[in-house]
Amino acid sequence: KNEVEQSPQNLTAQEGEFITINCSYSVGISALHWLQQHPGGGIVSLFMLSSGKKKHGRLIATINIQEKHSSLHITASHPRDSAVYICAVRGRETSGSRLTFGEGTQLTVNP
Amino acid sequence: AAGVIQSPRHLIKEKRETATLKCYPIPRHDTVYWYQQGPGQDPQFLISFYEKMQSDKGSIPDRFSAQQFSDYHSELNMSSLELGDSALYFCASSSRDNSYNEQFFGPGTRLTVL
Repeated sequence: KNEVEQSPQNLTAQEGEFITINCSYSVGISALHWLQQHPGGGIVSLFMLSSGKKKHGRLIATINIQEKHSSLHITASHPRDSAVYICAVRGRETSGSRLTFGEGTQLTVNP
Repeated sequence: AAGVIQSPRHLIKEKRETATLKCYPIPRHDTVYWYQQGPGQDPQFLISFYEKMQSDKGSIPDRFSAQQFSDYHSELNMSSLELGDSALYFCASSSRDNSYNEQFFGPGTRLTVL
C-alpha cells in the first residue's frame, strides 16, 4: 500500500463542473502539498497545508489531520484546468523535508 | 519573482555516458532537493542538501552523485547512464527561515538515454 493514495486516477468533466480530487495518506505529516503538472512536465505548487482550508481563486484545498485526508476542489472548471494534480506529503519523522508523492490524478475538462 | 532554474532543460545521452544536471535555487533558499520522475510514474526523492551538506538521501543509485556549492546551486552527476535513467529530473528549493519550509519546483530537466 502506498503511503499516499489519490482518487480518482482519471477524471473527465465538462466545463463548468465542480471537481473534487481526494488524497489519503498513512503516515504522520508536517505538511501536505497540492501540485499541478502540465503535459510539458513542469510542476507548480498550488497549495501547502498543515491544517484547515485554503482558497486561491477557483481552487480550494482542505485537510483533515485526524482522518489523514485532503481534498482539492475546483469550482467552475475550465479546459485550461486540464492537467495532472498531485498530492505530496512531508513526513513528521523525516529529516530533510523530503516529499512523498501520490500517483496523481489526470484531469481532463472538455469544453 | 525569481524561480528555481534548471539547466539544461533537455538532454540526450548515449548509454554509458555521463550527464550533469544543474539547479539554481530561489535566492536566499538554503535547501535543494532532487526528484526523479520516470515515464508515467510519480516523482521519487533522490537526495537533498542543506547549507552545502547532504541532509537526506533517498533512492539515488550509486552511479549518481550530487553536491551543493557555496552559492547554493546544486549539481547532479550521473555516470554510466542506463536506459532506465531516462526521466524528468526535478529540483526544488526551500528556506528553513520559512516556518513552513515550502518547496518550490524548477521546470525540470528531461533526460533521454539512447
